[in-house]
Amino acid sequence: QKEVEQDPGPLSVPEGAIVSLNCTYSNSAFQYFMWYRQYSRKGPELLMYTYSSGNKEDGRFTAQVDKSSKYISLFIRDSQPSDSATYLCAMSAGGYKLSFGAGTTVTVRA
Amino acid sequence: EPEVTQTPSHQVTQMGQEVILRCVPISNHLYFYWYRQILGQKVEFLVSFYNNEISEKSEIFDDQFSVERPDGSNFTLKIRSTKLEDSAMYFCASSEAVPSTYNSPLHFGNGTRLTVT
Repeated sequence: QKEVEQDPGPLSVPEGAIVSLNCTYSNSAFQYFMWYRQYSRKGPELLMYTYSSGNKEDGRFTAQVDKSSKYISLFIRDSQPSDSATYLCAMSAGGYKLSFGAGTTVTVRA
Repeated sequence: EPEVTQTPSHQVTQMGQEVILRCVPISNHLYFYWYRQILGQKVEFLVSFYNNEISEKSEIFDDQFSVERPDGSNFTLKIRSTKLEDSAMYFCASSEAVPSTYNSPLHFGNGTRLTVT
């Protein structure tokens, strides 16, 4: 079983729709969960950070972590064409290393 | 906003040659990293560096790889004898503290695309 699994998509939604992204993981030591956004030919950029289980909201973005199910989600409300990017989940057990998912490519159609 | 800068943006080299990828981390950051992303695959951790020594490295980071902070601003990744499978995008990153610390995210550069022919 892969350490972090993420459906690569692609996902195409109309402008204004809710985008739902998720990752599953196998390492129960992971405690820190992040979502990064990566535009074409750019480095990943941190969107959301969550520690342990629970929800976190920041503007149009909501991150959820369910450690009992080893499942994390990112929701993007009122999606915009500028949200078109690849979204990467990443997680850490507390050390220096982040383990990334494969990334989901999202296109928001105007 | 301060950013991590990487040079060159694209490096083409022949198999067996040595390459040095260069990075200038954000100036007040203390932790430095290299990640790579082979085309179509996930971003993979290579190495972290703190206080002038490697703090953690992955299985990928074998004896062919080395890192150095030659001065107060640059951070380099050297691949001694490149192989075809080293072709990838290499990302440098830096952070103020360990990545698990709240409000200490990794800041990534835009990468160097290494092509080994």
